[in-house]
Amino acid sequence: DGGITQSPKYLFRKEGQNVTLSCEQNLNHDAMYWYRQDPGQGLRLIYYSQIVNDFQKGDIAEGYSVSREKKESFPLTVTSAQKNPTAFYLCASTTPRATEAFFGQGTRLTVV
Amino acid sequence: ELKVEQNPLFLSMQEGKNYTIYCNYSTTSDRLYWYRQDPGKSLESLFVLLSNGAVKQEGRLMASLDTKARLSTLHITAAVHDLSATYFCAVRGSNYKLTFGKGTLLTVNP
Repeated sequence: DGGITQSPKYLFRKEGQNVTLSCEQNLNHDAMYWYRQDPGQGLRLIYYSQIVNDFQKGDIAEGYSVSREKKESFPLTVTSAQKNPTAFYLCASTTPRATEAFFGQGTRLTVV
Repeated sequence: ELKVEQNPLFLSMQEGKNYTIYCNYSTTSDRLYWYRQDPGKSLESLFVLLSNGAVKQEGRLMASLDTKARLSTLHITAAVHDLSATYFCAVRGSNYKLTFGKGTLLTVNP
């Protein structure tokens, strides 16, 4: 079945550590997105990518990094520079004409 | 910069009543999306509206788009408890950036 897979579902990080969240899609979608959601809040865009080897900063990119070496994969690294990383992270992808936008199941990151 | 505004942010309804959620956006767009989110879960796609005057219906939910007014509505007919969730609209800008509204937390009471 086609879809977007995020892993892990839950992730715990010690302060000062970098962690990488995985997002893989087998839908052959060109565009991929990373969002952050805080409790009771909306979705804020971290990074997005339209094509392989290209990506753009969203509204809250500081403390995060991404890569897009393959069409199927768009991993997000939460660096130690991100001061308040505890949140729910969602990955999305869209069809070439953006007639659909699908989301993964999310990764809940907690700093301990 | 594209801004997306939803209202109301909180909506408490009685079962059987009708209500409308509004989504305004600030710049021209050709793609508007509605999603539902249950607590602790990801987003479920409800509707994608692609052109001016588009109307889509699924069960008790109906979405419409007026690109000239930069307004989309999500109308709820005869609400039932199962519709309790947070509803988001999202708009795709000209640079492919997908921007979300803050969401509407809907609670349907017996």
